[in-house]
Amino acid sequence: DSGVTQTPKHLITATGQRVTLRCSPRSGDLSVYWYQQSLDQGLQFLIQYYNGEERAKGNILERFSAQQFPDLHSELNLSSLELGDSALYFCASSGGAVNEQFFGPGTRLTVL
Amino acid sequence: GENVGLHLPTLSVQEGDNSIINCAYSNSASDYFIWYKQESGKGPQFIIDIRSNMDKRQGQRVTVLLNKTVKHLSLQIAATQPGDSAVYFCAGYSGGYQKVTFGIGTKLQVIP
Repeated sequence: DSGVTQTPKHLITATGQRVTLRCSPRSGDLSVYWYQQSLDQGLQFLIQYYNGEERAKGNILERFSAQQFPDLHSELNLSSLELGDSALYFCASSGGAVNEQFFGPGTRLTVL
Repeated sequence: GENVGLHLPTLSVQEGDNSIINCAYSNSASDYFIWYKQESGKGPQFIIDIRSNMDKRQGQRVTVLLNKTVKHLSLQIAATQPGDSAVYFCAGYSGGYQKVTFGIGTKLQVIP
């Protein structure tokens, strides 16, 4: 158990819909990272937040947005969903350096 | 474009033997690398890292080798055990998280 929690574990929705994925980092970790893992593209970095502020942006679509709240939990919002958005979405947290990341169990999103 | 890829998608080894998993990268600006292990149904787990100013780093039963000349790194697992069965992938970082690329992964199967 990494100490990072993600909800829900599974999510099934339809194209055009909007969903919110939630992540609670390890106690004390200020950084939260979001990743997308699909079968054909492997793991892709989406975005990083540090203590409530956006720190780095990767391959995140404009239809996607994220935020980190004062209690340090984070949410990833996915809107106007497309079939190709079906993937595993991981959240990771760290207290500082890149190599201290701890990944959550992921949310499996299926868009029908 | 930037790419971090793996030579072998699946590797089967006998329990007790040594395993070698390879990764090639194309971005010569990558200055930090991490190997991750991902077991079925779980998030990635940090195994070992190496900075570009090193060519070898050892951990417990694992060794990472970096050859910057040919832009190649490998993960060696000594005395492979059934618990090592997982997907392993490398990640290359350039300037922190602004540019991070993950390999697709190699599935390691340990034969008892």
